[in-house]
Parts: sequence; structure tokens; C-alpha cells
Amino acid sequence: NAGVMQNPRHLVRRRGQEARLRCSPMKGHSHVYWYRQLPEEGLKFMVYLQKENIIDESGMPKERFSAEFPKEGPSILRIQQVVRGDSAAYFCASSSKGLGYNEQFFGPGTRLTVL
Amino acid sequence: AQKVTQAQTEISVVEKEDVTLDCVYETRDTTYYLFWYKQPPSGELVFLIRRNSFDEQNEISGRYSWNFQKSTSSFNFTITASQVVDSAVYFCALSEADDMRFGAGTRLTVKP
Repeated sequence: NAGVMQNPRHLVRRRGQEARLRCSPMKGHSHVYWYRQLPEEGLKFMVYLQKENIIDESGMPKERFSAEFPKEGPSILRIQQVVRGDSAAYFCASSSKGLGYNEQFFGPGTRLTVL
Repeated sequence: AQKVTQAQTEISVVEKEDVTLDCVYETRDTTYYLFWYKQPPSGELVFLIRRNSFDEQNEISGRYSWNFQKSTSSFNFTITASQVVDSAVYFCALSEADDMRFGAGTRLTVKP
């Protein structure tokens, strides 16, 4: 049973470009969460999605950031017009039930570097 | 508002020493979950334990043990007879129904 998969593992973008981060949850999991980890800091919750629905996006910046989890395919975290401050590790997690009631399994993360 | 405090930013021990990582949390809810995760130098996050607010029994898993005390809002993690492979950043996290909050992490270095 494959774990949570994220790609790419490393992504380099120049300021102003778009970054697309993909997350495939574990088989059977319909809940996906995105977190951001700035250098030398802890993880910060960004967004929680179920299939085709955003449940909680309270941790996601209102501008330039968006997330989706379509009926088919991986969850996508999209950052438009990236800035240097977006450089971070972005982790995706999945669970079979809602947040807090079941263990979250984390992917290996995508390390975004903005030049 | 939730808050998770890991007051120890960095800890360094010598192999075979015991070490305790502190975690103090704040929440107004009576139902919540506490977690510990390990992040080794490779960067991935490894789940260690989940504990719900109604279960205050201490847990032992090999060299790892956890002490949950609601009276002091603490969920401390002890590694007995530490090993070099235990070197990592350890995160404590608190979850209610709607989101999960992580502490800032404690970087543990175990020297041979």
C-alpha cells in the first residue's frame, strides 16, 4: 500500500512564476491537508480538503494561493506569482476520516525554492 | 485558540542518556487529540503517537514513552537510552475537530 506521494520533491521557480504542487493521498483516503514549513520552523496548517470540497482554508493566504482536490486525480496546491517568501517545504497529509479523529499520514514534502 | 508550546528549541545528549521532550498545550475544548511526529534529517514526517483527551494512560513503546497530564496540559515524550538514530526534530501537535496545530519543534542531537 503506497503511502502519500508528493511531486515534485524539489521545485525551483523564479519570482513571478507559478508553482504547482501535487499530492496523491493514500489509497482509500478522502481527506487531504496541506501544511507549510518555513526554514527552521514548525508546520503551519494551510488547508483541509475532501474530494471536490474545501473544508477549511483558514491557514492559506487569501491571495495567490489556491488548492483543489478533484474527483479524479491528485490534490493540487497552486501558488501564483511566487515570491521569495514562498520558499518553504510544503507537506501534504491524508487520512481516512476527518481531522483530529484519525491519524494523518504525511508525504515526503515538496521543497520550493524561489530565486 | 489553540496553542502548542515546545519550550526546548534544541537538546543535545550523549548516546545512552535518557531525554525528555516537553510539550504544553492550550485548548478550551474537552475533546481533542495530541500527537508526536518525528522529522529526521531526510525531511519526512514520521507519526509516533496519537492520544485523545479522555485517555490519560501513559504509553510505552520500546524506548519511547509518553506522559499525558491534563492537570498541567502537558504531553511529554521521553526517549530512554537514546541512540544516534534518534537525532531529529520532534513535533508535538494538537488537534480539535477542525484543524491541527504544531509546536515549533525540538531539535534533538544524540552524539556518539
